Amino acid sequence: DSGVTQTPKHLITATGQRVTLRCSPRSGDLSVYWYQQSLDQGLQFLIQYYNGEERAKGNILERFSAQQFPDLHSELNLSSLELGDSALYFCASSVSGGKNIQYFGAGTRLSVL
Amino acid sequence: SQQGEEDPQALSIQEGENATMNCSYKTSINNLQWYRQNSGRGLVHLILIRSNEREKHSGRLRVTLDTSKKSSSLLITASRAADTASYFCATTNAGGTSYGKLTFGQGTILTVHP
Repeated sequence: DSGVTQTPKHLITATGQRVTLRCSPRSGDLSVYWYQQSLDQGLQFLIQYYNGEERAKGNILERFSAQQFPDLHSELNLSSLELGDSALYFCASSVSGGKNIQYFGAGTRLSVL
Repeated sequence: SQQGEEDPQALSIQEGENATMNCSYKTSINNLQWYRQNSGRGLVHLILIRSNEREKHSGRLRVTLDTSKKSSSLLITASRAADTASYFCATTNAGGTSYGKLTFGQGTILTVHP
């Protein structure tokens, strides 16, 4: 168990809908990262937050947004969903925002029908 | 986009044999890490090697790093059926603007037959 909790584990929704993925980092970790894993794109970095502030941005679509709350949990919001958004979404956390080990949650599997 | 390439894409061996996976990357790095992923589950950190290190060991794992060739290898000795998983290398780039972002390779699928 990595100590990173992601909910829900599975999400099935329809095109055009909006969903929210939730992540609770390990106790004491200030940094949260979101990644998307799909068959065609592999593992892609989406966005990083550190202590409530956005730190780095990757290949995140404008339809996607994220935030980190004062209690350090994070949410990834996906809107106007398309079939191609179907993927595994991982959250990871680390102690600091630097270049160190990241601990991954079990992921949320999103299926857009 | 993916930072690097991993080869082989798939590796099938018998229990007790050694497994070697290779990873290449494109930019200057701060460190390189290897992660394991069991089918459809979360990634588990295995080992981290910094850009100024050439070799690192952890249990049955041995990692080498050649920054002049921008490549790394992961050796798993005396493999077990439980080692069956996908293995990914991930890099953090040198420089101050990328922070902790990990850039992953495409992964090697390792199957260890009992």
